[in-house]
Amino acid sequence: AQSVTQPDARVTVSQGASLQLRCKYSYSGTPYLFWYVQYPRQGLQLLLKYYSGDPVVQGVNGFEAEFSKSNSSFHPRKASVHWSDSAVYFCAVSVDNYAQGLTFGLGTRVSVFP
Amino acid sequence: NSKVIQTPRYLVKGQGQKAKMRCIPEKGHPVVFWYQQNKNNEFKFLINFQNQEVLQQIDMTEKRFSAECPSNSPCSLEIQSSEAGDSALYLCASSQGYAEQFFGPGTRLTVL
Repeated sequence: AQSVTQPDARVTVSQGASLQLRCKYSYSGTPYLFWYVQYPRQGLQLLLKYYSGDPVVQGVNGFEAEFSKSNSSFHPRKASVHWSDSAVYFCAVSVDNYAQGLTFGLGTRVSVFP
Repeated sequence: NSKVIQTPRYLVKGQGQKAKMRCIPEKGHPVVFWYQQNKNNEFKFLINFQNQEVLQQIDMTEKRFSAECPSNSPCSLEIQSSEAGDSALYLCASSQGYAEQFFGPGTRLTVL
């Protein structure tokens, strides 16, 4: 079975500063990796995805992430955050099979202060 | 932006009552998933469908939970006899299968 760890429950950053989130997964096979963002009273929006190939992927809203097989990690980064980036960010993993459910981490709550 | 539609957005039920929520997946997505997100941000996969057929479901859903995705109608998730522990955000997602899942806004169930 697969698992996801997000070691930081909360991150606080100043507007304009960079943001680094962390995600480590556990799975012996080929993972599909995702980051989703959840704004208050909303569902999940896809931010980043990694299936294979170039380990650096570009996402939406200025996010990019690097996949590391050796470290079992998929860490996203944003160079300059805005107050509207305040939200809860979830890392998720799926196995390489058709129609598999996602396994989520517990999320990282990001607060951006002006 | 996701085009998955979930209704109602909020649902309040008493213990023992039925609770039913609906989901319209994105057009062209044959696979539908239901997840439960509790107040501690723990996600639980409940069940998934390909078109009208159940692909996988966890034990919990085999007892008090029922779900279906009839042809030409919204998918639905129903809790036969709600319990306080069922209070959560129920998320529906759709997918083309191997690709990413797109989520609706969720139905927040409160069981009093």
